[in-house]
Amino acid sequence: GAGVSQSPSNKVTEKGKDVELRCDPISGHTALYWYRQSLGQGLEFLIYFQGNSAPDKSGLPSDRFSAERTGGSVSTLTIQRTQQEDSAVYLCASSLFVRGGNQPQHFGDGTRLSIL
Amino acid sequence: AQRVTQPEKLLSVFKGAPVELKCNYSYSGSPELFWYVQYSRQRLQLLLRHISRESIKGFTADLNKGETSFHLKKPFAQEEDSAMYYCAPFRGGYNKLIFGAGTRLAVHP
Repeated sequence: GAGVSQSPSNKVTEKGKDVELRCDPISGHTALYWYRQSLGQGLEFLIYFQGNSAPDKSGLPSDRFSAERTGGSVSTLTIQRTQQEDSAVYLCASSLFVRGGNQPQHFGDGTRLSIL
Repeated sequence: AQRVTQPEKLLSVFKGAPVELKCNYSYSGSPELFWYVQYSRQRLQLLLRHISRESIKGFTADLNKGETSFHLKKPFAQEEDSAMYYCAPFRGGYNKLIFGAGTRLAVHP
């Protein structure tokens, strides 16, 4: 399909384990975003990638969270030493980039992360 | 600080009733505003953006700079409008949307 693809769709892991979440953006979209949606909460911005620029990490909640984007395409969000409060749906979005403007973001289905 | 407020967590109406989902933002300048919607078991998707001045699925949203509001309206709600709605302003130069907490719209038959 042509949409944003995220994997896995569900992840259950034990507290203290590391997890990796993957996002495959729409081809040609240079902007990529990660958000977190906790139960009963809105969407919380985590990190933003645009082309070869340094990522905007201002939303990462702690140094246990990191993300990378290889080759300007696929992105991986890593959470180390997971805690129960990390349980949430992690959403990835991508968009075209137009300097001085904004393009709509296209979202994936998300990864539902449950920490036991 | 940039802030988006959607004061209602849940809005419950009957089919055919008018709907207004409120959104207020605290930004300087002229942000661009979006409404996103998430239907049950579907992914989050764009509903409309204010610069398009369009009506999507009967919904409209007017930017009121004086009140810093971008309320979403529909004159006659349908059951299929039941979903989670998020207001999201974009402030040029910051490269990211800031989403409101969302309002769940429940339309009853």
